[in-house]
Amino acid sequence: GIQVEQSPPDLILQEGANSTLRCNFSDSVNNLQWFHQNPWGQLINLFYIPSGTKQNGRLSATTVATERYSLLYISSSQTTDSGVYFCAVERENSNYQLIWGAGTKLIIKP
Amino acid sequence: DTGVSQDPRHKITKRGQNVTFRCDPISEHNRLYWYRQTLGQGPEFLTYFQNEAQLEKSRLLSDRFSAERPKGSFSTLEIQRTEQGDSAMYLCASGGSWNQPQHFGDGTRLSIL
Repeated sequence: GIQVEQSPPDLILQEGANSTLRCNFSDSVNNLQWFHQNPWGQLINLFYIPSGTKQNGRLSATTVATERYSLLYISSSQTTDSGVYFCAVERENSNYQLIWGAGTKLIIKP
Repeated sequence: DTGVSQDPRHKITKRGQNVTFRCDPISEHNRLYWYRQTLGQGPEFLTYFQNEAQLEKSRLLSDRFSAERPKGSFSTLEIQRTEQGDSAMYLCASGGSWNQPQHFGDGTRLSIL
């Protein structure tokens, strides 16, 4: 089956720093989503990005489908950005079920 | 758009008991998914409904698990004869047309004593 790998697994930064999170996937996918899971376990949609670049405030994402990777950029980090960031892909020829990476655990120190 | 609603938020029960969780999707969404997430891991797919039809089930879904979506609206996930290994966060998601994202509820956290 398709493999989704995220890096780095853990990241500790000072408030105000910038970061780049990576998601590699092993096969063609219909689509890709980035999520933020906050310390209370809530999964928040960040981006739905099969290809190209999208921006939302301090966050942006780029997916290069032909090279099977996606990047999530966080600029000017805030403590509220802490949590786990997941990348999930929709397999081709599936019922759009999501296959998830193991996540990047981000800690922003004040 | 009131979002995906799950009930209860937390469930603590003794091993061997049956439990049932409910998910109310976003009203116009015809796709509904159940996922399970254990500590430190990403969610894993359990089952998928298109309207009232259960179209796909993961091998993770043992015979003790059953899911329904009567009338294509809310869904229930039942676990019979719970085991320690069933302790997890159970997440429900819904989606509209094929090119739209899945939206997740806040989950039901199950703890088996």
